[in-house]
Amino acid sequence: SQQGEEDPQALSIQEGENATMNCSYKTSINNLQWYRQNSGRGLVHLILIRSNEREKHSGRLRVTLDTSKKSSSLLITASRAADTASYFCATALNYGGSQGNLIFGKGTKLSVKP
Amino acid sequence: SAVISQKPSRDICQRGTSLTIQCQVDSQVTMMFWYRQQPGQSLTLIATANQGSEATYESGFVIDKFPISRPNLTFSTLTVSNMSPEDSSIYLCSVGGQGAFYTEAFFGQGTRLTVV
Repeated sequence: SQQGEEDPQALSIQEGENATMNCSYKTSINNLQWYRQNSGRGLVHLILIRSNEREKHSGRLRVTLDTSKKSSSLLITASRAADTASYFCATALNYGGSQGNLIFGKGTKLSVKP
Repeated sequence: SAVISQKPSRDICQRGTSLTIQCQVDSQVTMMFWYRQQPGQSLTLIATANQGSEATYESGFVIDKFPISRPNLTFSTLTVSNMSPEDSSIYLCSVGGQGAFYTEAFFGQGTRLTVV
């Protein structure tokens, strides 16, 4: 079953603007991750934020996590045309053992116009 | 980190035929995951492939339709059998993203399958 729900489903912005994508989830998590997918290719990991963290930065990326609201946001600052891709959040559930897999949201399709 | 080589990258197949997708990882891993991504949709886990045991399939996926092999700790195959146009999707293999330390996942480049 789908754990994460991103919004918006699609986002179109101009180069240089900031892009914000949101993700909501339903159950307790160990961590939340964001991935990028170019043109239906393989996914590339962007950033991982653990359940005891509230904010994390990586270059032009800023991720926040609010476990009380079961939500996360991904901010891409000063966007570039090369940022055009689909972005997915994925949650790692809070299993006690070593099993478990990532559950992906539906994704946000970002288009950055030059 | 892990580098995954997945092939073929794309194929167009006739209905009723089968396609085998291969994934080679540059390091030994216990679990490999196979996902399906239908057009415009998110990733859905098909099965988890453990070396030395039968794959574990998710609800809605069966071994007869998606047989998986895992002969060693660096290689796995997924076969899409008796294909129909509804099987047209991107198929992805993955490692990581699970386990006691819940690390990031690494993906192959995907196989874009079109069934005609």
